[in-house]
Amino acid sequence: DAGVIQSPRHEVTEMGQEVTLRCKPISGHNSLFWYRQTMMRGLELLIYFNNNVPIDDSGMPEDRFSAKMPNASFSTLKIQPSEPRDSAVYFCASSSRTSGSRTGELFFGEGSRLTVL
Amino acid sequence: KQEVTQIPAALSVPEGENLVLNCSFTDSAIYNLQWFRQDPGKGLTSLLLIQSSQREQTSGRLNASLDKSSGRSTLYIAASQPGDSATYLCASFDGNQFYFGTGTSLTVIP
Repeated sequence: DAGVIQSPRHEVTEMGQEVTLRCKPISGHNSLFWYRQTMMRGLELLIYFNNNVPIDDSGMPEDRFSAKMPNASFSTLKIQPSEPRDSAVYFCASSSRTSGSRTGELFFGEGSRLTVL
Repeated sequence: KQEVTQIPAALSVPEGENLVLNCSFTDSAIYNLQWFRQDPGKGLTSLLLIQSSQREQTSGRLNASLDKSSGRSTLYIAASQPGDSATYLCASFDGNQFYFGTGTSLTVIP
């Protein structure tokens, strides 16, 4: 399997622009997580989905952030409008809730490094 | 809410030394515990997964143990190498969410 695939790997944009980050989870995984990592705050959970349904979005910082999972193989995280304080590395991760001894093992993508000028 | 703590935040050791990284958690009702490695500018790579019914897992020079009753897990690295230099994070899973520690930054000096 190719693992969790994220795009773009790097994004530089100007304040006020819309940013869309994309994620393809590992095939067969039914849970998907979006995290944000900064030096100051470490790794923060933004939102997670089970079977394409958003379960907990309490970590989404504000209404400028939205996430969707239209099917089992694709998810997006959108920031509109973007602000300099959104600069961070955004990780997507997936896991399976039904894979025997490997149930609950979390796999990360390489991340999308966002810089908002 | 589960709280996961990793101490120390940073560790520097000479090459060849055996070392132990610590992870503690406040709620023992966990489904599993996972150790990750993160290199600078990279994602998190899964190292070892310990299910709640297990006491330890081994992979090469790495051994992870789990003691649910005391809320502790340790990652033992044998014969450390400069290539082991990275940040190591632990995470507990309660069946729904993962709770991460803040990591231990390890430097192995040649």
